[in-house]
Amino acid sequence: EAGVVQSPRYKIIEKKQPVAFWCNPISGHNTLYWYRQNLGQGPELLIRYENEEAVDDSQLPKDRFSAERLKGVDSTLKIQPAELGDSAVYLCASSFSGTGLTEAFFGQGTRLTVV
Amino acid sequence: AQRVTQPEKLLSVFKGAPVELKCNYSYSGSPELFWYVQYSRQRLQLLLRHISRESIKGFTADLNKGETSFHLKKPFAQEEDSAMYYCALRGAALIFGTGTRLQVFP
Repeated sequence: EAGVVQSPRYKIIEKKQPVAFWCNPISGHNTLYWYRQNLGQGPELLIRYENEEAVDDSQLPKDRFSAERLKGVDSTLKIQPAELGDSAVYLCASSFSGTGLTEAFFGQGTRLTVV
Repeated sequence: AQRVTQPEKLLSVFKGAPVELKCNYSYSGSPELFWYVQYSRQRLQLLLRHISRESIKGFTADLNKGETSFHLKKPFAQEEDSAMYYCALRGAALIFGTGTRLQVFP
């Protein structure tokens, strides 16, 4: 199994341009997370989905960031317009929120550089 | 509010020395606690979780509710343990500490 798949792996854009990241979670995982990880820091939660519903988006800068998870499977995270401070690694993770083990599995991340 | 604190950014030891990576948490309910590890050029992956009370790669971690701590320990560090270690807490959501880089020198 490929695990959580993210694309692209790397993205370089000019400030004020839009950018989108894609995530395909592990099959059957109903919970999906987007995190942002700045250099030397831990992952910071942006948004959490339970199936297709965003249940926690309190940390998502809604003026420029948006996310969707259509049909409760794949998800996209968009930034429009990007700012220099958005340069970071964007991580997607998924888990199964039921009884038993609920560990989160991570993708490789998308490294965004805004110039 | 949920919070995870890892006070050390960097921990350097020699091979064979004991290791303890500190983690303290704040959560009003009954949390699930995890240690995740990220080796160079690899994705973040689960190392161990408190409910399993397991030892993985020689590492153990005990949840101390009185001290709200979940420190990661290994009696004899190996060079291949060099990595970034993140303590994580699942309350309403899964949140992470800022991480500790462990360097094990030969």
